[in-house]
Amino acid sequence: GNSVTQMEGPVTLSEEAFLTINCTYTATGYPSLFWYVQYPGEGLQLLLKATKADDKGSNKGFEATYRKETTSFHLEKGSVQVSDSAVYFCALSDLNTDKLIFGTGTRLQVFP
Amino acid sequence: DTGVSQDPRHKITKRGQNVTFRCDPISEHNRLYWYRQTLGQGPEFLTYFQNEAQLEKSRLLSDRFSAERPKGSFSTLEIQRTEQGDSAMYLCASSSRLAGRSYEQYFGPGTRLTVT
Repeated sequence: GNSVTQMEGPVTLSEEAFLTINCTYTATGYPSLFWYVQYPGEGLQLLLKATKADDKGSNKGFEATYRKETTSFHLEKGSVQVSDSAVYFCALSDLNTDKLIFGTGTRLQVFP
Repeated sequence: DTGVSQDPRHKITKRGQNVTFRCDPISEHNRLYWYRQTLGQGPEFLTYFQNEAQLEKSRLLSDRFSAERPKGSFSTLEIQRTEQGDSAMYLCASSSRLAGRSYEQYFGPGTRLTVT
């Protein structure tokens, strides 16, 4: 069945450091891929998405590229800020129902 | 539009009681999803509706759980005879699927259930 695996956290970085959060997936066909973010005390927000191979999703300085050959969708940001501290979830959508299958989440902590 | 709303935001109940949660989706969205999120985990799919039809239920949804979307607008999720293992955040999301094209899901703030 479909599944998503993402790196365990917490990821602890200093402000302005480079961020990578790894995500790999197993799926039948070519699902859409997503990164959602959950800030403390808030609901899930869509951060970025990619709908086909080699697409790059980007938003707020974050980027992720849909890599079919490595079944990966790693999240990157060149220079993190304290305000980026949150839990990040990688997800894929089922081709027929669009239901989302999430990874377990990676907590990012950015210190000044 | 104010986005997806859920009510209540928090619910504390005693084991064995019934609880009901409500979700109001974004008004033009025809799909509505329920997920459950436990501490330290990602959300897990429970069920979804297209308009008023419930099209899929997860095996996580035991017979104590029932969901409805009577007029294709708001939805309710009821848990009967609650157990401590039901303690979780219950998330609702809505989206559109039109002419075979899907659009992203927007999530509500969730209802946090604590069963004592």
